[in-house]
Amino acid sequence: GAVVSQHPSRVICKSGTSVKIECRSLDFQATTMFWYRQFPKQSLMLMATSNEGSKATYEQGVEKDKFLINHASLTLSTLTVTSAHPEDSSFYICSASLGWDNEKLFFGSGTQLSVL
Amino acid sequence: AQSVTQLGSHVSVSEGALVLLRCNYSSSVPPYLFWYVQYPNQGLQLLLKYTSAATLVKGINGFEAEFKKSETSFHLTKPSAHMSDAAEYFCAVSTIIQGAQKLVFGQGTRLTINP
Repeated sequence: GAVVSQHPSRVICKSGTSVKIECRSLDFQATTMFWYRQFPKQSLMLMATSNEGSKATYEQGVEKDKFLINHASLTLSTLTVTSAHPEDSSFYICSASLGWDNEKLFFGSGTQLSVL
Repeated sequence: AQSVTQLGSHVSVSEGALVLLRCNYSSSVPPYLFWYVQYPNQGLQLLLKYTSAATLVKGINGFEAEFKKSETSFHLTKPSAHMSDAAEYFCAVSTIIQGAQKLVFGQGTRLTINP
């Protein structure tokens, strides 16, 4: 199947700093990428949907100025957590879509963010 | 709004025993339902999906799930567990929000296989 690479897999940062997470579709072009957040023992919560070349669509309750999403090319989307605080500590997962059908949705391996 | 609930955050079975992971859905329209598996340090992988065709859906690695409208359930089963089945399993429902198809996930069930 198609491969989605997410980097870094784990990051520890100080409170107040910004962290960038990359999501790359390695062998296909993804018109749409999704960013999820997962707290321990909870489900994946969709944060935002990004389409190449346009502004991301954020889910209700997600601060767009806090979580900056850039989808500059068909193979790369980035999530930047700005001025991170301990409550932002979580597992972040991206996915990339080959098309409308969710069977063609491929996930990255996730990034564990710990803010001290 | 469509949602799914997975009963049991942790299920433990012996190798060779039946695996049953429970998922109930809530939907006002015929749902599209999915099961995903996540192995340690890997991304989510699609196991199977239901899209209103056959109610019994067969997936990869010997898993299958049956859509039961009367019970609003989509439980995942495998007749004989293997050690390699140890992973986190997520049930999900597809919903359309503002013209975009999105997935809403359950809380996940961690499956442990005892030798």
